[in-house]
Amino acid sequence: EPEVTQTPSHQVTQMGQEVILRCVPISNHLYFYWYRQILGQKVEFLVSFYNNEISEKSEIFDDQFSVERPDGSNFTLKIRSTKLEDSAMYFCASGGQGPTFGSGTQLSVL
Amino acid sequence: KNEVEQSPQNLTAQEGEFITINCSYSVGISALHWLQQHPGGGIVSLFMLSSGKKKHGRLIATINIQEKHSSLHITASHPRDSAVYICAVFKTSYDKVIFGPGTSLSVIP
Repeated sequence: EPEVTQTPSHQVTQMGQEVILRCVPISNHLYFYWYRQILGQKVEFLVSFYNNEISEKSEIFDDQFSVERPDGSNFTLKIRSTKLEDSAMYFCASGGQGPTFGSGTQLSVL
Repeated sequence: KNEVEQSPQNLTAQEGEFITINCSYSVGISALHWLQQHPGGGIVSLFMLSSGKKKHGRLIATINIQEKHSSLHITASHPRDSAVYICAVFKTSYDKVIFGPGTSLSVIP
């Protein structure tokens, strides 16, 4: 069964550093998403991406965040100047309605 | 008021029991999604609904668009069903997703 692959599974960074979270979506999918889940809280939508551009973003997705599809397979989330409150599990998903989720990247900002 | 609410928040059941988890929402939607989050954190899609009812194995999901309500039923529950079940709605803009707070289910042998 096709999978969405996320790397790394865990990322530890110092406050103020930049991190890039990577995702390999399912190859024939056209819609890509990033979500996050702060420990003990509900999953939150960050951004959706279609046709090589952002189609929708939440209030959380401010100038600190950016997404790219640098080649035909990868989909990345960049967080600039990380803050303590960016510590969360970040999920990538691909597909239309009924997306397939990756296993997540646990980001810890110290 | 949250746009997507779930009940109950927590649920403990004996193995074999019939379980119902409810989701209500207050916004216009194009579809509703039931997800299962395992204790390790991984998320699995269970159902995508825009009307009626869907069944997969021991899981049944229903939606009433007029009442803005969906239910997830688990028949003959098993300890491996223990997980957090999350309702998520796709708003009419299609891409925007709003997640419910989740229902934590524990099935005891």
